[in-house]
Amino acid sequence: GENVEQHPSTLSVQEGDSAVIKCTYSDSASNYFPWYKQELGKGPQLIIDIRSNVGEKKDQRIAVTLNKTAKHFSLHITETQPEDSAVYFCAASKGGSYIPTFGRGTSLIVHP
Amino acid sequence: EADIYQTPRYLVIGTGKKITLECSQTMGHDKMYWYQQDPGMELHLIHYSYGVNSTEKGDLSSESTVSRIRTEHFPLTLESARPSHTSQYLCASSSPQGAGEKLFFGSGTQLSVL
Repeated sequence: GENVEQHPSTLSVQEGDSAVIKCTYSDSASNYFPWYKQELGKGPQLIIDIRSNVGEKKDQRIAVTLNKTAKHFSLHITETQPEDSAVYFCAASKGGSYIPTFGRGTSLIVHP
Repeated sequence: EADIYQTPRYLVIGTGKKITLECSQTMGHDKMYWYQQDPGMELHLIHYSYGVNSTEKGDLSSESTVSRIRTEHFPLTLESARPSHTSQYLCASSSPQGAGEKLFFGSGTQLSVL
């Protein structure tokens, strides 16, 4: 089955810095890669996603890049703000009856 | 905004009690999931369903059971709660995105078994 590795497990940055979270996947058939943000006391919420036919996608301060050959994808957050502090999960899936596989999560702490 | 609801938000019960965690969604999604989230953040899939009358066990062995009698409702039951069941339980449903699944999560139930 699919295996998703996520690094780092904890990331501490100063407000205004950039943050990068990386994930690798094992199943070359995976073709949909969402990122979820979980704030304290809430369930994870989708913030951005990318499909295998796209190399990069951007939405304001967040962007995701995908390297299909190397089977890795990354989340980039620029100009971090304290409200970006949360746990971030990457996931990989391939549709049909397959269940998405999640990474272990990254706790991002943005210091004011 | 996702329309998936979990009740209760918090539950403290004694060992041996039977409990049911409720999960409902109004989006008409066929697929639904239950995850157990440990304090270390990781999400463990314990049950999922492809639709009415479909239930499957997930990657993490669990003593809980689920049912799917209606599309919108996916309750999780523990027949006899134990302290080892203390955890955060997250319910989700998904919308197919062509090649993948976009998940919508509820706010979770924090269960404490004394």
